[in-house]
Amino acid sequence: QVHLQESGPGLVKPSETLSLTCSVSNYSISSGYYWGWIRQSPGQGLEWIGSIYHRGTTYLNPSFQSRVSLAVDTSRNQISLRLTSLTAADTAKYYCVAPSGSYWNYWGQGILVTVSS
Amino acid sequence: EIVMTQSPATLSASPGERVTLSCRASQSFRSNLAWYQQKPGQPPRLLIYAASSRATGIPARFSGSGSGTAFTLTISSLQSEDVAIYYCQQYYDWPRTFGPGTKVEIK
Repeated sequence: QVHLQESGPGLVKPSETLSLTCSVSNYSISSGYYWGWIRQSPGQGLEWIGSIYHRGTTYLNPSFQSRVSLAVDTSRNQISLRLTSLTAADTAKYYCVAPSGSYWNYWGQGILVTVSS
Repeated sequence: EIVMTQSPATLSASPGERVTLSCRASQSFRSNLAWYQQKPGQPPRLLIYAASSRATGIPARFSGSGSGTAFTLTISSLQSEDVAIYYCQQYYDWPRTFGPGTKVEIK
């Protein structure tokens, strides 16, 4: 069973950049799969952020325009998310997901990120 | 982008009752649809993919159907542990999009 664990800051100031990491266990990222991020604002629904293939092909949600980037670190077996120019609207629980760019049966427990000064 | 809508927003039913949740898409596709169940404090869990295929370990009382713009998730006999929010999600086109969810409660 693939295990995903998100990590990063729980509090970020407006206009700053968010960097999150997803550590993958029980599976080698270099073996395949798409790895992605989904977020959920407090009391709200789900929003797909983007997905990245282990070789680097990336699909991103246009609603984030150029603010978001994803990366794969096969040496550490980790996925990363970078989101710039944060506002209060980016306050959400961020989930790491796998194994495809289509639907997801592996989810991390999520990390709550609050954007506030 | 494809907009997903779900109805009803909240559904209340008795244990053992058959419940039907609706999901509609703003444009047509064949079966590129998934359903998720989310209980409080937990990440979503995949129930159904390809509109009607149950994910591993999902009880047989959960079934999915539909194509085009109208899809349905049916719980044949509602159990207390089924209290949750249910989301549909399309993967026919980018960006992947979710419906707003249907909250299922027990009477």
